[in-house]
Amino acid sequence: NAGVTQTPKFQVLKTGQSMTLQCAQDMNHNSMYWYRQDPGMGLRLIYYSASEGTTDKGEVPNGYNVSRLNKREFSLRLESAAPSQTSVYFCASRELRSSYEQYFGPGTRLTVT
Amino acid sequence: GENVEQHPSTLSVQEGDSAVIKCTYSDSASNYFPWYKQELGKRPQLIIDIRSNVGEKKDQRIAVTLNKTAKHFSLHITETQPEDSAVYFCAASKGNQGGKLIFGQGTELSVKP
Repeated sequence: NAGVTQTPKFQVLKTGQSMTLQCAQDMNHNSMYWYRQDPGMGLRLIYYSASEGTTDKGEVPNGYNVSRLNKREFSLRLESAAPSQTSVYFCASRELRSSYEQYFGPGTRLTVT
Repeated sequence: GENVEQHPSTLSVQEGDSAVIKCTYSDSASNYFPWYKQELGKRPQLIIDIRSNVGEKKDQRIAVTLNKTAKHFSLHITETQPEDSAVYFCAASKGNQGGKLIFGQGTELSVKP
């Protein structure tokens, strides 16, 4: 099993450009999450999907949209990138019923110039 | 909303000493408290967790204690080794909200040989 995978690993955008970060998990987990990590601020939840067909805002949703494409895939879209969105983005998944543990992907390092 | 405070932000110990990291949370309904270890450039990985129905949990050199009345929990690492050097994050979660985690700001632990 690959676990949680994310693409791309690195990305540089210019202010105003758009892009989609992809996340997939092969563990048949129900819930998926997007976090951003900035120095000195820990991980902050952007959006999450408790189950297929549902999405909800987290702590810092402004400037982002998400799509739970199917049970495996959860994408994060930046419609008009801003320098404040420079960060490392982590996707995570969890089997909500049987375990509380979240499994993280390897991350995407995004720079907006 | 839920808030998690973590202290200290940096911690330096000698190999073989113990290390203690403390977190406080604001929402008394939180019932799950994981600790993640993140090495430089890597994804966060769960090292130990505790649910609100127990006060202490131990796994070899790592232990977590929970005081629900005071709303704080701590990570204890005994007999520290250089490979324990990393950033450690605490988090809190309420099981009925899709499992979303609220993270502390992180503690950078340095174990000097």
